[in-house]
Amino acid sequence: GNSVTQMEGPVTLSEEAFLTINCTYTATGYPSLFWYVQYPGEGLQLLLKATKADDKGSNKGFEATYRKETTSFHLEKGSVQVSDSAVYFCALRPPRAGTALIFGKGTTLSVSS
Amino acid sequence: DTGVSQDPRHKITKRGQNVTFRCDPISEHNRLYWYRQTLGQGPEFLTYFQNEAQLEKSRLLSDRFSAERPKGSFSTLEIQRTEQGDSAMYLCASTGTGDQPQHFGDGTRLSIL
Repeated sequence: GNSVTQMEGPVTLSEEAFLTINCTYTATGYPSLFWYVQYPGEGLQLLLKATKADDKGSNKGFEATYRKETTSFHLEKGSVQVSDSAVYFCALRPPRAGTALIFGKGTTLSVSS
Repeated sequence: DTGVSQDPRHKITKRGQNVTFRCDPISEHNRLYWYRQTLGQGPEFLTYFQNEAQLEKSRLLSDRFSAERPKGSFSTLEIQRTEQGDSAMYLCASTGTGDQPQHFGDGTRLSIL
């Protein structure tokens, strides 16, 4: 079946540190891949996406590359800010139209100044 | 900005009561999804509508749960005879046709006393 595995949190970093949050997936066919971010008390906001192998999604300094050979979609940012503190979810959408997202368990990021 | 709107934001009720939540999707979106998110977990799919047709339901959607989207616009999710295990955040998402990403509302947090 389809599934997403994220690294366990919490991840605690100092401001301006480099961030990596690992995400691997299991899927049939060629899914689309997403990173969503959730701030306390809020819903999920789309951070970035990639729809085919070797695509790189990027937004607000965050990047992730769709790696088919390693079934991975790791999230990276070169220099984190306190405002990046949130829960980050990796998700996949199977290729069939209209299918729901399948999420990982989320990784909590805490950035201190 | 007319994003996905959910009402109420918070609902506290006694075990055994019925509750109903509402979701207003982005106006031009024809696909609507309900998810449930428990503490420390990623969202899990409950059900999916395309226009007014309910096309998919997950095994999580027990007989006590019912969802409607009568005119293909807003949707309601009703839980009858609530149980402690129903305590969760209920998220609604919508998307248009094609390969567009899902946009989430801020959710309804349900607490069962």
